[in-house]
Amino acid sequence: SQQGEEDPQALSIQEGENATMNCSYKTSINNLQWYRQNSGRGLVHLILIRSNEREKHSGRLRVTLDTSKKSSSLLITASRAADTASYFCATVLISGNTPLVFGKGTRLSVIA
Amino acid sequence: GAVVSQHPSWVICKSGTSVKIECRSLDFQATTMFWYRQFPKQSLMLMATSNEGSKATYEQGVEKDKFLINHASLTLSTLTVTSAHPEDSSFYICSGLRGGTDTQYFGPGTRLTVL
Repeated sequence: SQQGEEDPQALSIQEGENATMNCSYKTSINNLQWYRQNSGRGLVHLILIRSNEREKHSGRLRVTLDTSKKSSSLLITASRAADTASYFCATVLISGNTPLVFGKGTRLSVIA
Repeated sequence: GAVVSQHPSWVICKSGTSVKIECRSLDFQATTMFWYRQFPKQSLMLMATSNEGSKATYEQGVEKDKFLINHASLTLSTLTVTSAHPEDSSFYICSGLRGGTDTQYFGPGTRLTVL
């Protein structure tokens, strides 16, 4: 069964605004990753945050992790129309060759 | 960054035929590859985990005799959908796990349509 649940399921914002997506999970994890998927395409890895980390930045992306609440958030600042895509969080329960467990995703639409 | 390719990118076949999808890691060795299936507007669901040189591990509910996985080398895994039916129509995505990391690199996906 899926581990992560993203919130909201869909988000529509104006270009230049910030977009925040949340992810909750059920069991203890080793790390949590965020991916982006353009319609009908493969996934692009955005950022990985480990269970002992609380916040990570990468360009316009900011990810937080609260293991006590079993939740993570992805913030995209100064959004662009090209950011329009589906965003998935995925958890890794044990480090190593274990698969990702994906959430249902958030569909982000950035309107120019 | 690491690159994973899939071939074909799309395929249309008749019901009852078999289809083979290739997944290649182009610039790294993937000791483990994963196969996922994604239905429209849904998330990715893991089908199986493939380790080079050994039998694949299938998720519950995935028929191993229907979805044959072969991971013959550190850069190639294949998924064969045998006796395909319309309900097998989906987007199939593979990923390769780079050794020593927790980062999976995804292929662009293969869209299978079974008529």
